Amino acid sequence: KQEVTQIPAALSVPEGENLVLNCSFTDSAIYNLQWFRQDPGKGLTSLLLIQSSQREQTSGRLNASLDKSSGRSTLYIAASQPGDSATYLCAPNTGGFKTIFGAGTRLFVKA
Amino acid sequence: GAVVSQHPSWVICKSGTSVKIECRSLDFQATTMFWYRQFPKQSLMLMATSNEGSKATYEQGVEKDKFLINHASLTLSTLTVTSAHPEDSSFYICSANSRETGELFFGEGSRLTVL
Repeated sequence: KQEVTQIPAALSVPEGENLVLNCSFTDSAIYNLQWFRQDPGKGLTSLLLIQSSQREQTSGRLNASLDKSSGRSTLYIAASQPGDSATYLCAPNTGGFKTIFGAGTRLFVKA
Repeated sequence: GAVVSQHPSWVICKSGTSVKIECRSLDFQATTMFWYRQFPKQSLMLMATSNEGSKATYEQGVEKDKFLINHASLTLSTLTVTSAHPEDSSFYICSANSRETGELFFGEGSRLTVL
C-alpha cells in the first residue's frame, strides 16, 4: 500500500525566500506524480505533473524533481510571495490512476 | 487546462435526508472519476473510484450503501449520501483524469453539513 510523507508539515517564511518542499513515497512503481496546491475550503489546483520517465518539470517559479527509484520528489518555489500561501500536496499515481495523497505542507509566506 | 465542475459547493441538510453531489468534466471525457473526503486540516481520503457504465470500486471502510456513486456518462458522476448523519459532515471532492496524460483535475469541492 502506497504511503506518502511530506516534510515539513508546516513552513512559515518571509517573502522572497526560495523554498524546498519534500515528498517521499513507499511504492516506486508509479505512472506519474503530481503536485497540487489547496487553498482553505477549496478544491485542488494542479501545479506540475511529472511522468515516471521524467526527472523534472518547471512552471514559472516552480520546479519539481522526481527520483522514482528512491521514492522522492521535491518541489522548489523560487522567490516566494504571499500569494503562494496554501497547502501543497504531493500525489504519486499508481496503477489504475489511483492517487494517494500525503498530508501536505502548509506554507505561509509573510509580506 | 481541463475543468471539473462540482455542484453544489455547499449544502446543509437535516439528519436522515439524502444529498446528491454532481461532478462534471466540462471539456474532456472522463472514463474514471474519483471521490474524496477531507476532514478539517487533514489530507484527502479516497472513497471510491467511479467507472463509466459500471459499478464503483470502494475503498476499504467506505460503506457503499451509504455513499451511492453513479457514473452514467463520460462527463458526469454523482455521489449520493443516503440517510445523512452529522458524522457525514465533511468536504467532498471529486476528480477526473485525462486519458491522454493521466493528469488529475479536481472539482472545487462540496461542503456538506448535516444538522
